[in-house]
Amino acid sequence: LAKTTQPISMDSYEGQEVNITCSHNNIATNDYITWYQQFPSQGPRFIIQGYKTKVTNEVASLFIPADRKSSTLSLPRVSLSDTAVYYCLVGGYNTDKLIFGTGTRLQVFP
Amino acid sequence: DAGVIQSPRHEVTEMGQEVTLRCKPISGHDYLFWYRQTMMRGLELLIYFNNNVPIDDSGMPEDRFSAKMPNASFSTLKIQPSEPRDSAVYFCASRAGPYVDYGYTFGSGTRLTVV
Repeated sequence: LAKTTQPISMDSYEGQEVNITCSHNNIATNDYITWYQQFPSQGPRFIIQGYKTKVTNEVASLFIPADRKSSTLSLPRVSLSDTAVYYCLVGGYNTDKLIFGTGTRLQVFP
Repeated sequence: DAGVIQSPRHEVTEMGQEVTLRCKPISGHDYLFWYRQTMMRGLELLIYFNNNVPIDDSGMPEDRFSAKMPNASFSTLKIQPSEPRDSAVYFCASRAGPYVDYGYTFGSGTRLTVV
C-alpha cells in the first residue's frame, strides 16, 4: 500500500480557501487518490477521488500533478462546519482495504 | 437508503462483561469492514468480509474479539471478556465493489466505554 504523508493540523478562518497537500511518493500506476472527511462523533465520509489532473465536485477540488506523487485537496471559502479531520488515501483496483493514516485536523475559526 | 446502521450508539459496560456491537450494511454492498478508532492509534482496520465470508482478520487484536456475518444484512463484533483498553469508537463500513476505488460508507459508530 502506498504510504501517505500529510500535515497533522491546519488552522484557517472562515471564508478562506484551504489547501491540504498529501505526499504519496510510491503511488502505483493503478492507484486512485481518495479523500475522506471525518467530523467529531461521526464516521469518515467520502468527499472526492481522482486519478490525475483536476477533479471538482460540490464540496472540494482535488489537484493532482502529472507525476502523481502528491495531491492537494482544496476547500473553497471554508466555514466553521468544515472543521474536521481530512484523510488522504491511495489505492486502486488491486487494493482491497483502506488503511487510514493520522489525517489532517483542520480547525476553522470565526 | 438509510446508510450503514450501527447499534448501539453508546455502550457502557463493566470489565469482564461480554459486549456485542451490531451493523447493518447498505443493501447490495458485498464488503463489510470493522474499524476501531482511538486517540492514540487512530483508525484501525480490525476485520473485513466479502459476501459474508471473513477475508482478513489480521487486525483483530486478540482472541477476545470475534466477528460474524451470518447474512448479507447483518454483522456483529463481539468482545468477551471486555477490558478497559477496549474503550474506543467502533465503526462499521460497507463497500459496493471489490476495491477501494468504489468508496466506503461508514456508519455513525458505537462508542464503547469499559469501566
